[in-house]
Amino acid sequence: GAGVSQSPRYKVAKRGQDVALRCDPISGHVSLFWYQQALGQGPEFLTYFQNEAQLDKSGLPSDRFFAERPEGSVSTLKIQRTQQEDSAVYLCASSPLAPWPQHFGDGTRLSIL
Amino acid sequence: TQLLEQSPQFLSIQEGENLTVYCNSSSVFSSLQWYRQEPGEGPVLLVTVVTGGEVKKLKRLTFQFGDARKDSSLHITAAQTGDTGLYLCADSGGSNYKLTFGKGTLLTVNP
Repeated sequence: GAGVSQSPRYKVAKRGQDVALRCDPISGHVSLFWYQQALGQGPEFLTYFQNEAQLDKSGLPSDRFFAERPEGSVSTLKIQRTQQEDSAVYLCASSPLAPWPQHFGDGTRLSIL
Repeated sequence: TQLLEQSPQFLSIQEGENLTVYCNSSSVFSSLQWYRQEPGEGPVLLVTVVTGGEVKKLKRLTFQFGDARKDSSLHITAAQTGDTGLYLCADSGGSNYKLTFGKGTLLTVNP
């Protein structure tokens, strides 16, 4: 596909479960970003990768959040022991090389019951 | 921490009307970007402005950047139903990768 692909599009989990969200960036894009968008809010930065290196994880809300990009392509955002406040849309974006432009995927809507 | 304030928060208008939405920053912009986000989709970049006083036009959309680089506006002429969406402003804040977003203006254009 031509764009950033995220899966699943929707995820429902019970509080306390672990979840994994996947991002397939545009082929050849070096930079990859994760954002969290709560209902009625703008996206908030979570973390940034350049190839497989995680250069900034300052936006991750807690140590329950973990992101990886082991081969410099596909990335996974993992949330352990989910809480209700983790309910949000998680957006992935990629770019040829920082800074711009960032191309966003359509997000994964996560609902924690 | 940079804060971006967008106004109005909600706007509902009839097709054919003109409208303006605003973005104000607590600090000087580095590289201001405007995005549109439709329901169930990710934000799509509309324009990037970097120079104080800059004006950019994209068909019926006109983007202005304040001289002091702390404010920006988006004006839409003769709105169409396809303009419906969440309009977000974002700034890099001096970083070359991290975007800070405002909360957005939710625009509804009614037929």
